[in-house]
Amino acid sequence: QVQLQESGPGLVKPSETLYLTCTVSGGSISGSSYFWGWIRQSPVKGLEWIASVYSSGDTYYSPSLQSRVTISLDTSKNQFSLKMTSVTAADTAVYFCARGPDYPDYVVDSWGQGALVTVSS
Amino acid sequence: DFQMTQSPAFVSTSVGGTVTITCRASQFISSRLAWYQQKPGKAPKLLISAASNLQGGVPSRFSGSGSGTDFTLTISNLQPEDFATYYCQRADSLFWAFGQGTKVEIE
Repeated sequence: QVQLQESGPGLVKPSETLYLTCTVSGGSISGSSYFWGWIRQSPVKGLEWIASVYSSGDTYYSPSLQSRVTISLDTSKNQFSLKMTSVTAADTAVYFCARGPDYPDYVVDSWGQGALVTVSS
Repeated sequence: DFQMTQSPAFVSTSVGGTVTITCRASQFISSRLAWYQQKPGKAPKLLISAASNLQGGVPSRFSGSGSGTDFTLTISNLQPEDFATYYCQRADSLFWAFGQGTKVEIE
């Protein structure tokens, strides 16, 4: 059974760049028919999808965040990562990495445990 | 702008009771709708896909129905472990979009 684990800083200063990594075990991120993505959760916005990357490397971004985020795969380490620039207090949230199968049902079938990220000086 | 609207936001009921949660999509999504359960401090867990298909290990007291734009999650004979927050999600797009959630509380 695949397992996902987020890692990254718990505290980031406003205007700085946030880097998060998701390490996948129990399955390969390459050569599989899955999307690997990031979802965040805050009391204000609820569950908000940020970005996904297909096992082929194709990337997809939320229109509201695409100007500030980059998602990438590192197949050698079986990891994928999120980079978010110019963070503000509004980016404070629990960040989940997640997996979802390809067509026809774009569900999220595996989740990491979540990583709290606080944006504060 | 596509939206998933869940109602109610909160519902209180007792053990053994029945809860019905609705989810409305702003556009036609056929049967491409999923439901999740989230407990405090945990990640959401996929319960139902394709509007009515229970995932493995999910008790039969959970059921989903609907198609098009209107969907329902029903939990019968509520057990203590069912008190949680439930989310719907459009599953017709790889742009994962979730409803705002319904918190099921003990009365």
